[in-house]
Amino acid sequence: RKEVEQDPGPFNVPEGATVAFNCTYSNSASQSFFWYRQDCRKEPKLLMSVYSSGNEDGRFTAQLNRASQYISLLIRDSKLSDSATYLCVVQLPYKLSFGAGTTVTVRA
Amino acid sequence: EAQVTQNPRYLITVTGKKLTVTCSQNMNHEYMSWYRQDPGLGLRQIYYSMNVEVTDKGDVPEGYKVSRKEKRNFPLILESPSPNQTSLYFCASSSPGTLVPLHFGNGTRLTVT
Repeated sequence: RKEVEQDPGPFNVPEGATVAFNCTYSNSASQSFFWYRQDCRKEPKLLMSVYSSGNEDGRFTAQLNRASQYISLLIRDSKLSDSATYLCVVQLPYKLSFGAGTTVTVRA
Repeated sequence: EAQVTQNPRYLITVTGKKLTVTCSQNMNHEYMSWYRQDPGLGLRQIYYSMNVEVTDKGDVPEGYKVSRKEKRNFPLILESPSPNQTSLYFCASSSPGTLVPLHFGNGTRLTVT
Protein backbone atom coordinates (compact mmCIF):
# COMPACT_ATOMS: atom_id res chain seq x y z
CA ARG A 1 0.00 0.00 0.00
CA LYS A 2 1.28 3.44 -0.89
CA GLU A 3 2.06 5.74 2.03
CA VAL A 4 0.12 8.57 0.45
CA GLU A 5 -2.70 8.11 -2.07
CA GLN A 6 -4.47 10.70 -4.17
CA ASP A 7 -7.15 10.66 -6.83
CA PRO A 8 -5.13 11.54 -9.93
CA GLY A 9 -8.04 13.35 -11.59
CA PRO A 10 -8.04 15.24 -13.81
CA PHE A 11 -10.62 17.59 -12.38
CA ASN A 12 -11.81 19.82 -15.20
CA VAL A 13 -13.71 22.78 -13.84
CA PRO A 14 -14.91 26.13 -15.22
CA GLU A 15 -13.54 29.39 -13.92
CA GLY A 16 -15.27 30.43 -10.74
CA ALA A 17 -16.17 26.90 -9.70
CA THR A 18 -15.25 25.22 -6.44
CA VAL A 19 -13.18 22.08 -6.58
CA ALA A 20 -12.18 19.80 -3.73
CA PHE A 21 -10.15 16.63 -3.47
CA ASN A 22 -8.72 14.38 -0.81
CA CYS A 23 -5.58 12.53 0.02
CA THR A 24 -5.26 9.54 2.34
CA TYR A 25 -2.18 8.46 4.27
CA SER A 26 -1.35 5.10 5.79
CA ASN A 27 1.04 5.88 8.63
CA SER A 28 -0.76 6.98 11.78
CA ALA A 29 2.56 8.34 13.11
CA SER A 30 2.58 11.04 10.44
CA GLN A 31 3.41 14.34 12.06
CA SER A 32 2.70 17.15 9.66
CA PHE A 33 0.85 17.62 6.43
CA PHE A 34 1.22 19.91 3.45
CA TRP A 35 -0.04 20.67 -0.01
CA TYR A 36 2.48 21.40 -2.74
CA ARG A 37 1.71 22.70 -6.20
CA GLN A 38 3.52 21.53 -9.29
CA ASP A 39 3.19 23.16 -12.70
CA CYS A 40 3.78 21.04 -15.81
CA ARG A 41 6.69 18.93 -14.47
CA LYS A 42 8.43 21.92 -12.95
CA GLU A 43 9.69 21.85 -9.40
CA PRO A 44 7.06 21.47 -6.66
CA LYS A 45 6.41 24.52 -4.50
CA LEU A 46 4.83 24.68 -1.07
CA LEU A 47 1.21 25.82 -1.29
CA MET A 48 0.20 25.56 2.33
CA SER A 49 0.53 23.63 5.54
CA VAL A 50 -2.45 21.73 6.91
CA TYR A 51 -3.35 22.22 10.55
CA SER A 52 -5.54 20.04 12.71
CA SER A 53 -8.18 22.71 13.06
CA GLY A 54 -8.26 23.39 9.35
CA ASN A 55 -6.90 26.52 7.77
CA GLU A 56 -7.45 28.91 4.90
CA ASP A 57 -5.10 30.81 2.66
CA GLY A 58 -7.12 33.08 0.43
CA ARG A 59 -9.25 30.88 -1.82
CA PHE A 60 -7.64 27.69 -0.56
CA THR A 61 -8.92 25.71 2.42
CA ALA A 62 -7.17 22.69 3.87
CA GLN A 63 -8.61 20.20 6.33
CA LEU A 64 -7.09 17.34 8.29
CA ASN A 65 -8.95 14.32 9.65
CA ARG A 66 -6.53 12.30 11.77
CA ALA A 67 -9.12 9.71 12.76
CA SER A 68 -9.78 8.78 9.14
CA GLN A 69 -6.25 9.65 8.04
CA TYR A 70 -7.04 11.99 5.22
CA ILE A 71 -6.46 15.58 4.29
CA SER A 72 -8.37 17.68 1.82
CA LEU A 73 -7.89 20.76 -0.28
CA LEU A 74 -10.70 22.99 -1.48
CA ILE A 75 -10.24 25.73 -4.04
CA ARG A 76 -12.96 28.38 -4.25
CA ASP A 77 -13.59 30.72 -7.18
CA SER A 78 -11.14 28.83 -9.39
CA LYS A 79 -8.84 30.84 -11.64
CA LEU A 80 -7.15 29.74 -14.83
CA SER A 81 -3.87 30.10 -12.96
CA ASP A 82 -4.94 27.39 -10.50
CA SER A 83 -4.43 24.77 -13.23
CA ALA A 84 -1.70 22.56 -11.85
CA THR A 85 -1.01 19.27 -10.13
CA TYR A 86 -1.48 19.35 -6.37
CA LEU A 87 0.74 17.08 -4.33
CA CYS A 88 -0.24 15.84 -0.92
CA VAL A 89 2.78 15.60 1.39
CA VAL A 90 3.01 13.82 4.71
CA GLN A 91 5.91 14.26 7.11
CA LEU A 92 7.47 11.52 9.20
CA PRO A 93 10.71 11.94 11.14
CA TYR A 94 13.41 12.94 8.63
CA LYS A 95 11.22 12.07 5.69
CA LEU A 96 8.55 13.54 3.49
CA SER A 97 6.22 11.21 1.58
CA PHE A 98 4.63 12.59 -1.55
CA GLY A 99 1.41 11.57 -3.22
CA ALA A 100 1.36 11.15 -6.98
CA GLY A 101 -0.71 14.30 -7.34
CA THR A 102 -4.18 15.44 -8.35
CA THR A 103 -4.40 17.35 -11.61
CA VAL A 104 -6.76 20.29 -11.79
CA THR A 105 -7.56 22.04 -15.05
CA VAL A 106 -9.55 25.25 -14.93
CA ARG A 107 -11.16 26.24 -18.22
CA ALA A 108 -12.38 29.63 -19.36
CA GLU B 1 18.91 34.89 -4.83
CA ALA B 2 18.31 31.83 -2.65
CA GLN B 3 18.17 28.79 -4.86
CA VAL B 4 18.94 25.16 -5.52
CA THR B 5 20.76 24.66 -8.82
CA GLN B 6 20.78 21.39 -10.70
CA ASN B 7 22.71 20.55 -13.82
CA PRO B 8 22.12 19.49 -16.45
CA ARG B 9 18.43 20.18 -17.08
CA TYR B 10 18.22 17.52 -19.78
CA LEU B 11 20.44 14.51 -20.32
CA ILE B 12 20.23 11.67 -22.81
CA THR B 13 22.72 8.88 -22.33
CA VAL B 14 23.26 5.21 -23.07
CA THR B 15 23.12 2.22 -20.80
CA GLY B 16 26.23 1.78 -18.69
CA LYS B 17 27.81 5.18 -19.22
CA LYS B 18 28.54 6.73 -15.84
CA LEU B 19 27.01 10.12 -15.21
CA THR B 20 26.75 12.71 -12.45
CA VAL B 21 23.97 15.18 -11.84
CA THR B 22 25.16 18.12 -9.79
CA CYS B 23 23.19 19.94 -7.13
CA SER B 24 24.22 23.05 -5.28
CA GLN B 25 22.39 25.28 -2.79
CA ASN B 26 23.35 28.72 -1.52
CA MET B 27 21.14 28.83 1.58
CA ASN B 28 23.54 27.10 3.98
CA HIS B 29 21.01 24.29 4.40
CA GLU B 30 22.14 21.19 6.25
CA TYR B 31 19.48 18.87 4.84
CA MET B 32 19.63 17.87 1.18
CA SER B 33 17.81 15.17 -0.71
CA TRP B 34 17.34 13.59 -4.13
CA TYR B 35 14.00 12.49 -5.54
CA ARG B 36 12.87 10.88 -8.72
CA GLN B 37 9.42 11.47 -10.15
CA ASP B 38 7.65 8.99 -12.38
CA PRO B 39 4.08 9.10 -13.71
CA GLY B 40 1.60 7.71 -11.22
CA LEU B 41 4.23 7.18 -8.53
CA GLY B 42 4.86 10.65 -7.18
CA LEU B 43 8.20 11.79 -5.85
CA ARG B 44 10.26 9.02 -4.33
CA GLN B 45 13.30 9.72 -2.23
CA ILE B 46 16.58 8.26 -3.46
CA TYR B 47 19.10 9.49 -0.88
CA TYR B 48 19.25 12.21 1.70
CA SER B 49 21.92 13.93 3.74
CA MET B 50 21.51 15.50 7.17
CA ASN B 51 24.90 17.19 7.04
CA VAL B 52 28.39 17.03 5.57
CA GLU B 53 29.66 13.45 5.33
CA VAL B 54 26.29 12.14 6.56
CA THR B 55 24.17 10.40 3.93
CA ASP B 56 21.46 7.78 4.08
CA LYS B 57 19.29 5.74 1.77
CA GLY B 58 15.80 6.79 0.88
CA ASP B 59 13.11 4.57 -0.58
CA VAL B 60 14.72 3.80 -3.95
CA PRO B 61 18.53 3.96 -3.58
CA GLU B 62 19.45 1.03 -5.85
CA GLY B 63 21.65 2.07 -8.74
CA TYR B 64 22.54 5.46 -7.27
CA LYS B 65 25.34 6.93 -5.19
CA VAL B 66 25.73 10.30 -3.52
CA SER B 67 28.39 12.21 -1.68
CA ARG B 68 28.35 15.21 0.64
CA LYS B 69 31.86 16.55 0.95
CA GLU B 70 30.73 20.16 1.27
CA LYS B 71 27.56 21.59 2.74
CA ARG B 72 26.45 23.28 -0.47
CA ASN B 73 26.92 20.35 -2.91
CA PHE B 74 25.14 17.03 -3.14
CA PRO B 75 25.85 15.26 -6.45
CA LEU B 76 23.91 12.23 -7.63
CA ILE B 77 25.98 9.56 -9.35
CA LEU B 78 24.74 6.81 -11.62
CA GLU B 79 27.66 4.42 -12.02
CA SER B 80 25.98 2.28 -14.66
CA PRO B 81 22.69 3.82 -15.79
CA SER B 82 19.91 1.59 -17.02
CA PRO B 83 16.69 2.42 -18.92
CA ASN B 84 14.60 2.02 -15.74
CA GLN B 85 16.41 5.07 -14.36
CA THR B 86 14.85 7.23 -17.05
CA SER B 87 12.99 9.75 -14.95
CA LEU B 88 12.66 13.33 -13.77
CA TYR B 89 15.05 14.03 -10.90
CA PHE B 90 14.81 16.74 -8.28
CA CYS B 91 17.32 17.88 -5.74
CA ALA B 92 16.01 19.66 -2.66
CA SER B 93 17.27 21.28 0.51
CA SER B 94 15.82 22.65 3.71
CA SER B 95 16.78 24.46 6.88
CA PRO B 96 18.08 22.58 9.88
CA GLY B 97 15.42 21.29 12.20
CA THR B 98 12.67 21.23 9.63
CA LEU B 99 12.07 19.51 6.32
CA VAL B 100 9.55 22.11 5.18
CA PRO B 101 9.61 24.22 3.20
CA LEU B 102 11.68 22.02 0.96
CA HIS B 103 13.40 24.09 -1.71
CA PHE B 104 13.58 22.23 -5.00
CA GLY B 105 15.92 22.59 -7.92
CA ASN B 106 14.54 22.96 -11.44
CA GLY B 107 14.80 19.27 -12.16
CA THR B 108 16.87 17.07 -14.46
CA ARG B 109 15.11 15.04 -17.11
CA LEU B 110 17.22 11.95 -17.71
CA THR B 111 16.72 9.51 -20.56
CA VAL B 112 18.75 6.29 -20.65
CA THR B 113 18.58 4.40 -23.92
